[in-house]
Amino acid sequence: GAVVSQHPSRVICKSGTSVKIECRSLDFQATTMFWYRQFPKQSLMLMATSNEGSKATYEQGVEKDKFLINHASLTLSTLTVTSAHPEDSSFYICSASVPATETQYFGPGTRLLVL
Amino acid sequence: KQEVTQIPAALSVPEGENLVLNCSFTDSAIYNLQWFRQDPGKGLTSLLLIQSSQREQTSGRLNASLDKSSGRSTLYIAASQPGDSATYLCAVRSGGGADGLTFGKGTHLIIQP
Repeated sequence: GAVVSQHPSRVICKSGTSVKIECRSLDFQATTMFWYRQFPKQSLMLMATSNEGSKATYEQGVEKDKFLINHASLTLSTLTVTSAHPEDSSFYICSASVPATETQYFGPGTRLLVL
Repeated sequence: KQEVTQIPAALSVPEGENLVLNCSFTDSAIYNLQWFRQDPGKGLTSLLLIQSSQREQTSGRLNASLDKSSGRSTLYIAASQPGDSATYLCAVRSGGGADGLTFGKGTHLIIQP
């Protein structure tokens, strides 16, 4: 099946720093990738839709200047959390849609802890 | 705005039992519905995807049904095993193509050996 990877799997950083998370589709091309966030005991919430070669579409309540998304190629999307604060600590997970089946395949997630 | 609810929130059953997990959604105009499994601290594994025109999908011991008009889906797990212990998530895609998924909070399932 389709494989999506994320890097890093876990990151701890100081408040005020920026963190970049990479999402790669390893064996297929993804024109669209999605970024989700999951707080403890909560459901996954869609943050933004990342389209290759164009600007991301953000969900209501998600600050586009804080969560920078770049989708420069058909296999790579990046999420940068700028000036991270403790309330940004969460599980960030990306997914990519396989064009033929439209099944979404998810990466293993990145656990961010901001001290 | 689409909302997805899963019942029960948690379930613990002895090994070997058949069980049903429930999912409901408020807007019946969906494109497809997907069931996932999430292990602690891990990503998601796709189990079954049902297109809006379909009524059920089967994979091994898993069977998922969809009643779009009533906004309901069920995931049936036959002959449960300890390895089935995980959180099961239901998610709907409301539009075609590029729309992201709306998730329920999940059912935390424990299968007792």
